[in-house]
Amino acid sequence: EAGVVQSPRYKIIEKKQPVAFWCNPISGHNTLYWYLQNLGQGPELLIRYENEEAVDDSQLPKDRFSAERLKGVDSTLKIQPAELGDSAVYLCASSLHGGRTDTQYFGPGTRLTVL
Amino acid sequence: TQLLEQSPQFLSIQEGENLTVYCNSSSVFSSLQWYRQEPGEGPVLLVTVVTGGEVKKLKRLTFQFGDARKDSSLHITAAQPGDTGLYLCAGAEDDKIIFGKGTRLHILP
Repeated sequence: EAGVVQSPRYKIIEKKQPVAFWCNPISGHNTLYWYLQNLGQGPELLIRYENEEAVDDSQLPKDRFSAERLKGVDSTLKIQPAELGDSAVYLCASSLHGGRTDTQYFGPGTRLTVL
Repeated sequence: TQLLEQSPQFLSIQEGENLTVYCNSSSVFSSLQWYRQEPGEGPVLLVTVVTGGEVKKLKRLTFQFGDARKDSSLHITAAQPGDTGLYLCAGAEDDKIIFGKGTRLHILP
């Protein structure tokens, strides 16, 4: 069974440019998460989807970040405009139902560098 | 705001030695998970503990959830180079899951 797929794996952009990340979760997983991971830190939740509904976006900086999960399958996270401080790894994860003991399966992440 | 403190931040030991890393909080969690993350990859779940005092073993790894469900430990017996990685704990309360900053473990051959 294929795992969580993310693309691109690496992205280098100049500040003020837009950028988008794509995630395809494990087939049949209802819950999808986007995390931000800074160097030497643990993942920080940006947004959680249950099917196509964003059920927790309290940590998403909505002035520049947006996300969508049309049809409740794959998802896109966008930053516009990017700032230097956005340089980080953006991880996508999925789980079957999003319960507190459910296993989250992570993709390899997209490493963003903003110059 | 719930916080998970992991210690030590870094640990470098010789192959064959034993070690323990810790995950502490002032908050009570309904469950706690341990993940291992290798460079260039996402975290991979090792174990979930849900009951205070619970102990789970995974080969040479022993996980314990504190009686009060505020802390947890991971003990590795006879560490091997393949154990090298970033060990993250993640606590769950209601619908929120928060991660600690991790312990970066390096096992020297």
